[in-house]
Amino acid sequence: AQSVAQPEDQVNVAEGNPLTVKCTYSVSGNPYLFWYVQYPNRGLQFLLKYITGDNLVKGSYGFEAEFNKSQTSFHLKKPSALVSDSALYFCAVRTQTGANNLFFGTGTRLTVIP
Amino acid sequence: EAGVAQSPRYKIIEKRQSVAFWCNPISGHATLYWYQQILGQGPKLLIQFQNNGVVDDSQLPKDRFSAERLKGVDSTLKIQPAKLEDSAVYLCASSLWQNTGELFFGEGSRLTVL
Repeated sequence: AQSVAQPEDQVNVAEGNPLTVKCTYSVSGNPYLFWYVQYPNRGLQFLLKYITGDNLVKGSYGFEAEFNKSQTSFHLKKPSALVSDSALYFCAVRTQTGANNLFFGTGTRLTVIP
Repeated sequence: EAGVAQSPRYKIIEKRQSVAFWCNPISGHATLYWYQQILGQGPKLLIQFQNNGVVDDSQLPKDRFSAERLKGVDSTLKIQPAKLEDSAVYLCASSLWQNTGELFFGEGSRLTVL
């Protein structure tokens, strides 16, 4: 069975500071990993994905994520946070077997303080 | 490029009533998903279609939920009869490739069951 853990329900960071939103996963086989962001009353928006290759993946709005196979982690990072980054962030995993649908974590609410 | 369209955006019904949600995916996307997102939780897959065939409906409560994707384009998700615990946002998503492609989400249909 696959699972995704986002250990922090809430992350607060000051504007201009670096931010990290944590994600660990458990799957059979090689994972495809995704980050999505959700703004209030909106659907989920794709940020970035790791399929294969370079462990550091760059995505939309200056976000990046690092895939660490030994730690089974895929933490989301940004060097300098903006107030507009405040939103709900979801990590998700997709396996290479079976129906290949997307399995989501419970989400982390990021608040960037001006 | 038009995004995933969903309607209605909001629906309030009494328990034991029925409700239907409609989704129009991005043109050319063969795979369509319905997710249920309960407040404070990550989205949970209800059903996945590939063209007009069901790939995965293992999490769909089939005694009350049904979904169809006639002609492999639009899809309808129905709940009959609704229960209080069905209050959630119902997200429709579509993707171009089943395995490595990201999912594109609609803005969701928020259901409140009283």
